[in-house]
Amino acid sequence: EPEVTQTPSHQVTQMGQEVILRCVPISNHLYFYWYRQILGQKVEFLVSFYNNEISEKSEIFDDQFSVERPDGSNFTLKIRSTKLEDSAMYFCASSGSVPTDTQYFGPGTRLTVL
Amino acid sequence: DAKTTQPTSMDCAEGRAANLPCNHSTISGNEYVYWYRQIHSQGPQYIIHGLKNNETNEMASLIITEDRKSSTLILPHATLRDTAVYYCIVRSPNTGNQFYFGTGTSLTVIP
Repeated sequence: EPEVTQTPSHQVTQMGQEVILRCVPISNHLYFYWYRQILGQKVEFLVSFYNNEISEKSEIFDDQFSVERPDGSNFTLKIRSTKLEDSAMYFCASSGSVPTDTQYFGPGTRLTVL
Repeated sequence: DAKTTQPTSMDCAEGRAANLPCNHSTISGNEYVYWYRQIHSQGPQYIIHGLKNNETNEMASLIITEDRKSSTLILPHATLRDTAVYYCIVRSPNTGNQFYFGTGTSLTVIP
């Protein structure tokens, strides 16, 4: 069964450093998403991406965040200058050919900012 | 999106059916009910979704009341691996494609 994959599974970085989280969505999917979950809190939407541009973003997704689909398979989330409060699980998701299709989530990347 | 209310936690004996309720009394006619679960800190796993009719797949059954104000997710024969947080999410096609996750129901399957 096709699945969303994410790398790395755990990323440790120093405050102020840039990190790139990588995702490989399900191959025939067209809509891509990032969510995050701070330890003990709810899963929160960050951004959705379609046709090489952002379609929606939340208030959390400020100027320090960016997303990119650099090639036909990868979808990345970049955090330019990490803060302690960026420590969280980051989940990538993808859905099919219409935005209301079911979203399938990856296993997540645990980001720890020291 | 309509707000959902779920019990904070539930227990279920292994091998028995787990019935997880969800109230969504403000649901609109075009809003779907989705169920996801999250095991430990893994990514949310899709279970099932429905609009009006009851639905069944290899994982679970979804029973939606006729007035659509509540629903029940049924895991027919719960196993220890079903211990997870279960999220009931009402999603409108008109207000964006993101999912709004609440706090869900923490289901513990007891041996």
